[in-house]
Amino acid sequence: EVQLLESGGGLVQPGGSLRLSCAASGFTFSSYSMSWVRQAPGKGLEWVSSITSSGGSTFYADSVKGRFTISRDNSKNTVYLQMHSLRAEDTALYYCARRGKSMAGTALYYFDFWGQGTLVTVSS
Amino acid sequence: QTVVTQEPSFSVSPGGTVTLTCALSSGSVSTSYYTSWYQQTPGQAPRTLIYSTNTRSSGVPDRFSASILGNKAALTITGAQADDESDYYCVLYMGSGISVFGGGTKLTVL
Repeated sequence: EVQLLESGGGLVQPGGSLRLSCAASGFTFSSYSMSWVRQAPGKGLEWVSSITSSGGSTFYADSVKGRFTISRDNSKNTVYLQMHSLRAEDTALYYCARRGKSMAGTALYYFDFWGQGTLVTVSS
Repeated sequence: QTVVTQEPSFSVSPGGTVTLTCALSSGSVSTSYYTSWYQQTPGQAPRTLIYSTNTRSSGVPDRFSASILGNKAALTITGAQADDESDYYCVLYMGSGISVFGGGTKLTVL
């Protein structure tokens, strides 16, 4: 069974930093791209960042580019989101999501499994 | 700045059919955008319904279907049930690793 377990959320002051982790199990982690998606309280979903299976390529939404860094450790089956220069508008529930692919390994550009999220609150 | 637009809200009667749409701020949605659809109920993580425009995810009932309708992506629910009352989000893949969510549609079944 695919499981994604996020951790690392909490209360941080504006301008502060936080590192989120997502521990994966139930699948061959090193074969899948991974993503972070967030949801501000009462708002819609927003794609934040993705990383390829090897970690060789990373992608970011404009809203976080230059402040957030996605990385992964395939030996630990974990993907991370390092967040710096946090702003009030970064307050959200952060979901870890697996990128789906076909049986043949072709990228299908969707999110097939989701974690339950970890809450980040940026406030003084 | 690419904006993906969905109806903010929609209402359907139990047993009825409803079509939710997903549009681009400029241009038409095509299969090249690998449209996917997600259902989210309050307090829960999203659930994947559809990927690659019209492929149902594992375990999703066949009363959920999706297509390209004109210049938009569309999600149709046939024979709506009470537990279909949820928020529905589309996602378009813009290329270069970038995905964009629509603003979501709040579906009421009454």
